[in-house]
Amino acid sequence: DTGVSQDPRHKITKRGQNVTFRCDPISEHNRLYWYRQTLGQGPEFLTYFQNEAQLEKSRLLSDRFSAERPKGSFSTLEIQRTEQGDSAMYLCAARGGANTGELFFGEGSRLTVL
Amino acid sequence: DAKTTQPTSMDCAEGRAANLPCNHSTISGNEYVYWYRQIHSQGPQYIIHGLKNNETNEMASLIITEDRKSSTLILPHATLRDTAVYYCIVRVWGQNFVFGPGTRLSVLP
Repeated sequence: DTGVSQDPRHKITKRGQNVTFRCDPISEHNRLYWYRQTLGQGPEFLTYFQNEAQLEKSRLLSDRFSAERPKGSFSTLEIQRTEQGDSAMYLCAARGGANTGELFFGEGSRLTVL
Repeated sequence: DAKTTQPTSMDCAEGRAANLPCNHSTISGNEYVYWYRQIHSQGPQYIIHGLKNNETNEMASLIITEDRKSSTLILPHATLRDTAVYYCIVRVWGQNFVFGPGTRLSVLP
């Protein structure tokens, strides 16, 4: 158990709908990351939070994507007007500041856009 | 872009050592070598990391060449549960982790 929970684990939606994923890390993990992973590829970085501040965003994060971490605890990733190309596994990872730097990943949220 | 090169796939017999190579010829002096693995339908799992010296923990050993241009992850007694994709990552402390496609290790009975 990595201490990182993601919800939902699976989401099937129709093209054009909005979806939201949630990530809950343990309280000690003040750094939170979102990654996207498509079949046969490694995870791709999307965005990074330190506490509630979003410090970095990948150019992969189009304007249809928005991530928040309002109280520095849980985070949400919303995709508006989904497209079939958004179908992927969305992974959340977290870590503390003064440790070995390893990331703790959640189980992921798999999105299928029909 | 990932700064490492790994074989696409490897096989290993159950009970034998699995040696997974990684090339990182452009590594800089302040970059660490990390290894993660991803079992099917799960999130990646941290295995081990190192800077210059060889490292060992309960999961694996990491051997880094003296010039630091390559490394090898060793699973001393591979089991069927070690079947996974293994990612080698080089990273400066504090930077994001950039994953490549990794090596798909199949442990065969």
